[in-house]
Amino acid sequence: DTGVSQDPRHKITKRGQNVTFRCDPISEHNRLYWYRQTLGQGPEFLTYFQNEAQLEKSRLLSDRFSAERPKGSFSTLEIQRTEQGDSAMYLCASSYGTGEIDGYTFGSGTRLTVV
Amino acid sequence: QKEVEQNSGPLSVPEGAIASLNCTYSDRGSQSFFWYRQYSGKSPELIMSIYSNGDKEDGRFTAQLNKASQYVSLLIRDSQPSDSATYLCAVNRNTGGFKTIFGAGTRLFVKA
Repeated sequence: DTGVSQDPRHKITKRGQNVTFRCDPISEHNRLYWYRQTLGQGPEFLTYFQNEAQLEKSRLLSDRFSAERPKGSFSTLEIQRTEQGDSAMYLCASSYGTGEIDGYTFGSGTRLTVV
Repeated sequence: QKEVEQNSGPLSVPEGAIASLNCTYSDRGSQSFFWYRQYSGKSPELIMSIYSNGDKEDGRFTAQLNKASQYVSLLIRDSQPSDSATYLCAVNRNTGGFKTIFGAGTRLFVKA
């Protein structure tokens, strides 16, 4: 068990460019979440996968954001046409469960800076 | 009204004292409650979960839940400088949605 891995750790991009982040959850975890956190705020929910199915997506997620989890393993989060307001820490988390929601294990995050 | 509210702090306590962190939530349908610790520049780490009214103890940590008052608290006994961090309260409905909602956190500073 190597924990939740995220890549890259840091990403600096120019406004208008596309970026993609990767998350590798703990291998036996069937649930995977993406959150976004800005300075002084708590993590903000973006989307949730149970196995390969994307079961919930925040209304805050514009059509510029898309996430996938092929085969229920790793996940990618893509942001198209980045804006300065997208600058944040993007956190991936995973957990195992079939019923009530349990606590998460977070990855180290990907810090995105849009210049 | 925010869904999960916490006093932003900072809460400053001397080493060895009890730190009391509080959280209120707006959704009466919430069923699962969590406390996460986040050190500066790091990601959140789960320290306590509680699902039923009452107290739950784990080492120096005690979580308290009162669903009627929509109130969750975390007590840290014998506070250590290493406990200095931001503590995030989080809640989940379990039904009708899968997202866990986080508060903005309370900064705790333990003075040596």
